[in-house]
Amino acid sequence: QKEVEQDPGPLSVPEGAIVSLNCTYSNSAFQYFMWYRQYSRKGPELLMYTYSSGNKEDGRFTAQVDKSSKYISLFIRDSQPSDSATYLCAMNEGNRDDKIIFGKGTRLHILP
Amino acid sequence: DGGITQSPKYLFRKEGQNVTLSCEQNLNHDAMYWYRQDPGQGLRLIYYSQIVNDFQKGDIAEGYSVSREKKESFPLTVTSAQKNPTAFYLCASRGQGINQPQHFGDGTRLSIL
Repeated sequence: QKEVEQDPGPLSVPEGAIVSLNCTYSNSAFQYFMWYRQYSRKGPELLMYTYSSGNKEDGRFTAQVDKSSKYISLFIRDSQPSDSATYLCAMNEGNRDDKIIFGKGTRLHILP
Repeated sequence: DGGITQSPKYLFRKEGQNVTLSCEQNLNHDAMYWYRQDPGQGLRLIYYSQIVNDFQKGDIAEGYSVSREKKESFPLTVTSAQKNPTAFYLCASRGQGINQPQHFGDGTRLSIL
């Protein structure tokens, strides 16, 4: 089983819809969870950063962590064509020298 | 503006040639990282450095070399020993403090002539 699994998509949704992006993981020691957005030919941009379980909201974006199920989600409300990008989940244990483990990314298309 | 600058944006390598990718940050971050991104494979860690004059191999270090002589700079050399160098290369940095996230540059696309 891979450490972090993420559906590659592509996921196509109409403008204005709620988008749900998900990752599952196997390492129960992960405590810090991140979502990055990557536009074509650009570097990943940090969108959300959460610690442990629960929800965090920032504008149209909500990150949700369920550690009991080893499952994280990113919800995008009122989706816009400018949200079309690849979304990467990432996580780590939080020790000083540990590596951040990335999902392979989900390609999202918002249809005008 | 604070950030991470990678140059060049596009780079071409001839067979048997070494090339060096530049990464500079003005975020005063201690840790810096190099990743390779291939379609469908996600990000793979090449090398990382937690402090000046020290660096460690990542998961795919063979055929690559790095140096960390200054805090703000972490250049990556793709040597002729790397037989499949065509990829998108990303540099990242990370601040001190309790588990800071990584921030990325905008990448260098390396292709073989």
